[in-house]
Amino acid sequence: EAGVAQSPRYKIIEKRQSVAFWCNPISGHATLYWYQQILGQGPKLLIQFQNNGVVDDSQLPKDRFSAERLKGVDSTLKIQPAKLEDSAVYLCASSFRQGGYEQYFGPGTRLTVT
Amino acid sequence: AQTVTQSQPEMSVQEAETVTLSCTYDTSESDYYLFWYKQPPSRQMILVIRQEAYKQQNATENRFSVNFQKAAKSFSLKISDSQLGDAAMYFCAYRSEYYKLSFGAGTTVTVRA
Repeated sequence: EAGVAQSPRYKIIEKRQSVAFWCNPISGHATLYWYQQILGQGPKLLIQFQNNGVVDDSQLPKDRFSAERLKGVDSTLKIQPAKLEDSAVYLCASSFRQGGYEQYFGPGTRLTVT
Repeated sequence: AQTVTQSQPEMSVQEAETVTLSCTYDTSESDYYLFWYKQPPSRQMILVIRQEAYKQQNATENRFSVNFQKAAKSFSLKISDSQLGDAAMYFCAYRSEYYKLSFGAGTTVTVRA
């Protein structure tokens, strides 16, 4: 089966610019996650969707970050405006359902903010 | 909030030898899941092994096994017969009853030929 797809793989922007990341989960997976992984740290959950509804966005900096999952399939994560501290790898993951089901991760998007 | 601590930033192992990675966690929940994930340099994270807290038996997946000590809140990963392909960053993760996954800071494993 096809894995979690993400694009772009790399992005370099200047601070105060906008950027968007795209994720297409594994077909049939209802739950979708966006993580931020700063160099040298473990991934941190930004937002979790169940179908097209938000389950948890408690760690999403809502003044600059937004995410949507229209139609309950693919998702976009946007940063506007970007700050230097947003430089990180943004990982998308999906799982069949919530609970003990395995999360499958995409390759990530490496963002560099200069 | 749950915290996951990996106290070993780096570990090195000779090919064919065994290495053990440490993980401790803090929680007040009684029902939860613990995971070890592997992240090779290509950065695609994959699941290595999973342990349900209600199971006393330690999980095993081929050359990978865990030592789960619930009372001590400890969850170590043992890699036996290490291979060059095992070189990666390994993350310990805790999944709460509310489905949120919390990761440790990771341990980089280097395999010497």
